[in-house]
Amino acid sequence: QSVLSQPPSVSGAPGQRVTISCTGSSSNIGAGYDVHWYQQLPGRAPKLLIYSDNNRPSGVPDRFSGSKSGTSASLALTGLQAEDEADYYCQSYDNRMSGHLVFGGGTKLTVL
Amino acid sequence: QLQLQESGPRLVKPSETLSLTCTVSGGSISSSTYYWGWIRQPPEKGLEWVGSMLSTGGTYYNPSLRGRVTISADTSKNQFSLKLTSVTAADTALYYCVRSRGSVLSGIGYWGRGTLVTVSS
Repeated sequence: QSVLSQPPSVSGAPGQRVTISCTGSSSNIGAGYDVHWYQQLPGRAPKLLIYSDNNRPSGVPDRFSGSKSGTSASLALTGLQAEDEADYYCQSYDNRMSGHLVFGGGTKLTVL
Repeated sequence: QLQLQESGPRLVKPSETLSLTCTVSGGSISSSTYYWGWIRQPPEKGLEWVGSMLSTGGTYYNPSLRGRVTISADTSKNQFSLKLTSVTAADTALYYCVRSRGSVLSGIGYWGRGTLVTVSS
């Protein structure tokens, strides 16, 4: 059971927009801790996609964006492409665990 | 460009100790206020934080591992290591060594390729 909750799967057609939610609680996202998002392509290590709620590392297309409100965060992907098919994980910190890392269970994005 | 490479036995017997080493190139594990750590991923499952150490000292572990885990550094070799004792099949996973993007709460910016460790007799 992950500390952060994500839908197991989402899907969309090429060119569409999809969002992936990440729901936490008052001890993690709601406590103001940053939320980060990772993309894991099949057979690859995860890669940082969004850091500190809504910032993109260099090289990440602006089709990816993040937001946070209250005890939840979201990752939005616009203009879906076949290569976006991957697993996506949110990550934050939890003060019940001395402020250490917690992950969502991951969301499998399928591009139809 | 910072690179991390995991190494260690791929097969460990139940009740024994899992030992992995992460060799870092392109940067020093002693510099600045990064955290270095381990993340694991059981087959077909999600990511789980194992533990972290700070460049400036201090180690932090996932409470769910109940005192079985130790992370330590060898600055002379620019390596850090993971030891997990009394392993069971539930510890079978792909183990990644990682480094933060920047400060402690800044996300994981660097990942090794991962090494699959299987616990089996």
